[in-house]
Amino acid sequence: RKEVEQDPGPFNVPEGATVAFNCTYSNSASQSFFWYRQDCRKEPKLLMSVYSSGNEDGRFTAQLNRASQYISLLIRDSKLSDSATYLCAVGERGGNKLTFGTGTQLKVEL
Amino acid sequence: EPEVTQTPSHQVTQMGQEVILRCVPISNHLYFYWYRQILGQKVEFLVSFYNNEISEKSEIFDDQFSVERPDGSNFTLKIRSTKLEDSAMYFCASSEPPGQKYEQYFGPGTRLTVT
Repeated sequence: RKEVEQDPGPFNVPEGATVAFNCTYSNSASQSFFWYRQDCRKEPKLLMSVYSSGNEDGRFTAQLNRASQYISLLIRDSKLSDSATYLCAVGERGGNKLTFGTGTQLKVEL
Repeated sequence: EPEVTQTPSHQVTQMGQEVILRCVPISNHLYFYWYRQILGQKVEFLVSFYNNEISEKSEIFDDQFSVERPDGSNFTLKIRSTKLEDSAMYFCASSEPPGQKYEQYFGPGTRLTVT
């Protein structure tokens, strides 16, 4: 089983749609969880940290399910500018390596 | 907003040559990292650095790689004898001191092309 697994997509959605991505991780000792956004040939940009209680930032909502070892990202009211690859990243303990998934590609269309 | 910077943005080198990739982490951050991303593949961890020493390294980070913090601002990755398969984007990242969020912020990357 891969350490961090994501559906590669692409997810093609119309503008204004709601889209959800999931990411599963294999190491139950994982302690930190993040969603990054990566545009083509650019660096990963931190979108949000993911907490057990769930967190929301505008149109973006992230959830963590430790029992099932997955995290999710929900994007509401999709915009053309949301088109990118969304990377899930998991850390075993603070201050050390992140293990990334392969990313899920989102294409928002008119 | 503070950001991680990296130089050069693109480096072309011949197989067997040494390269040094440079990074300036965010100023109050104490953890530093190098990752790489081969074209079309996922971001892979290379090494983390804290308190002037390597705290963790991956299998990729073999004897041909080394890191250094030569002064109070720069953080470098040296590849001693480059191979074709070292061609990739190399990202530097930094994060806050222990007890904080450990959110890692990435620099724009250096594209290394080995010919």
